[in-house]
Amino acid sequence: DTEVTQTPKHLVMGMTNKKSLKCEQHMGHRAMYWYKQKAKKPPELMFVYSYEKLSINESVPSRFSPECPNSSLLNLHLHALQPEDSALYLCASRSPRGDSYNEQFFGPGTRLTVL
Amino acid sequence: QQQVKQSPQSLIVQKGGISIINCAYENTAFDYFPWYQQFPGKGPALLIAIRPDVSEKKEGRFTISFNKSAKQFSLHIMDSQPGDSATYFCAAARGDSSYKLIFGSGTRLLVRP
Repeated sequence: DTEVTQTPKHLVMGMTNKKSLKCEQHMGHRAMYWYKQKAKKPPELMFVYSYEKLSINESVPSRFSPECPNSSLLNLHLHALQPEDSALYLCASRSPRGDSYNEQFFGPGTRLTVL
Repeated sequence: QQQVKQSPQSLIVQKGGISIINCAYENTAFDYFPWYQQFPGKGPALLIAIRPDVSEKKEGRFTISFNKSAKQFSLHIMDSQPGDSATYFCAAARGDSSYKLIFGSGTRLLVRP
């Protein structure tokens, strides 16, 4: 299994809602990432988890709250978002060893719209 | 120092032609240089990657050329096909930073039939 899955595919939420994005991988990867991608722009890193511990937070507003319950699962909890937070949210995982040591595999993303 | 500069912004190539996309970086601590392909509404897919101790890497129709002294690397797509029409991102990363990917701005490639 060489796949990163993300749910939901699409999400529409109001500014007062609380929602969560989910990411899952079963490749044994121990590093997982959240990226945000606006239209016609490259992905921008938000968070990195390494061995289930948060290792990088790119000064992301607290309305985004990541969680890594176990080595296969990564969540992004959303609360009181703004319309400018509308974007494609991408999850990625990185292989830990061997020739593919550095490869990051991306999921298909969650298209988020904040009304 | 953290930037990766990518050109051109867009590229139109005839079917069967060669597509060339260029990237340049400043930070000599980068030690991993991947290229990603992204179709509309999809996540980026890793195409090919190179480390700075290698000057060229080829996988099928895709070749990375790497010039360490010039701090530049490029993607060549041989025999370009309409199915190659997508956005291509170069990136760079360093091992002491959790391999955080620093992406170029992207190149939108259109291959005409």
